[in-house]
Amino acid sequence: AQKITQTQPGMFVQEKEAVTLDCTYDTSDPSYGLFWYKQPSSGEMIFLIYQGSYDQQNATEGRYSLNFQKARKSANLVISASQLGDSAMYFCAMREGPSGTSYGKLTFGQGTILTVHP
Amino acid sequence: GAVVSQHPSWVICKSGTSVKIECRSLDFQATTMFWYRQFPKQSLMLMATSNEGSKATYEQGVEKDKFLINHASLTLSTLTVTSAHPEDSSFYICSAFFSGGEYEQYFGPGTRLTVT
Repeated sequence: AQKITQTQPGMFVQEKEAVTLDCTYDTSDPSYGLFWYKQPSSGEMIFLIYQGSYDQQNATEGRYSLNFQKARKSANLVISASQLGDSAMYFCAMREGPSGTSYGKLTFGQGTILTVHP
Repeated sequence: GAVVSQHPSWVICKSGTSVKIECRSLDFQATTMFWYRQFPKQSLMLMATSNEGSKATYEQGVEKDKFLINHASLTLSTLTVTSAHPEDSSFYICSAFFSGGEYEQYFGPGTRLTVT
């Protein structure tokens, strides 16, 4: 079974609008971490945001916020005020176990290609 | 801080030859590094976990004799693709675990391998 599922192969958004990228996960470990990365066409992996399983509040980093719904096992990324430079592939990833265990080993979702239209 | 470099950034080699890719942690020591492979518009597939001073742990389905991993120091891991074939053409990304960092895993910029 897929541990991380991103069901949107591609998403389109108008510049300055908000967009939500979906991510669901599956783990029986009570301690885990969820990450979002952006991968532009250059290929580099850019860390965006992190949510720990015990964090009470949803994580936010500038225009990025993570809509964490633990009971539903979802960790959707919300990008507000989209910019043309946000066009890229976005990956959701999970680390199972407490921070520092498994040497940070990550499992990635399939990715979502986001295209921002002017 | 926590910068990871990869060399080369791209390489073209002929079928049957071997190519080595280096992954370096520039400002921290990394006892553990990871090697990923990525095909166009697909996800990152973990190939192996590289541990300093010991043998790498390969994921199921990854040929150990084809993808040789050596983690000889706390700042350097190498991936050697032996007897490369066109189907080995891919984007190879390394990452390094840094327990003292905020994000734990830091990625290199990737190496694009093309086998002709």
